[in-house]
Amino acid sequence: EDKVVQSPLSLVVHEGDTVTLNCSYEVTNFRSLLWYKQEKKAPTFLFMLTSSGIEKKSGRLSSILDKKELFSILNITATQTGDSAVYLCAGIRGTYKYIFGTGTRLKVLA
Amino acid sequence: GAVVSQHPSWVICKSGTSVKIECRSLDFQATTMFWYRQFPKQSLMLMATSNEGSKATYEQGVEKDKFLINHASLTLSTLTVTSAHPEDSSFYICSTKGIQDKEALNTEAFFGQGTRLTVV
Repeated sequence: EDKVVQSPLSLVVHEGDTVTLNCSYEVTNFRSLLWYKQEKKAPTFLFMLTSSGIEKKSGRLSSILDKKELFSILNITATQTGDSAVYLCAGIRGTYKYIFGTGTRLKVLA
Repeated sequence: GAVVSQHPSWVICKSGTSVKIECRSLDFQATTMFWYRQFPKQSLMLMATSNEGSKATYEQGVEKDKFLINHASLTLSTLTVTSAHPEDSSFYICSTKGIQDKEALNTEAFFGQGTRLTVV
């Protein structure tokens, strides 16, 4: 059975801290892994990772995929209160089936 | 990215009534739409995959007679929760990938804003 496991489940940090969110996956016919940020409503897209070992960056966020060990990490440096959200990762099985993890709830304190 | 509009954003209904949720792709043709349910503090769980012009494919454990999905056009899919019960209260969200991505192996999903359903 396909599964995506995220850790930690929740995290509380102070502004300026750096956080690392983990995502491990077991997805048959795996294509890619995606990271989303979910605040109150719809998830917003952060990264899509297809190739192993290639870091993707967007501002203070970065992510990398390890297809041998079947995991990905999402790093957020110099965290801000606006980074408080649930971060979801999802593995794509086949052409378009998304298997979501349970999410990591991040709270950044001022 | 593509724009997906979901309506309503929230709804309160009485037990036993039916509720229809609409998901529209505004700037592209969506051959496939996905319906998810998310309970508080839990992840998105795929309920069904809706294909334009054909029957939806439901995930294991999802009652197809209770959650009716219609995808009659390339821009609209609807989810109807029939005979709603309080345990159906949840956050329902649709997503899609565009027709131009049909052959693409890797593409991010575009999500609607979600519908918070409360059954009283």
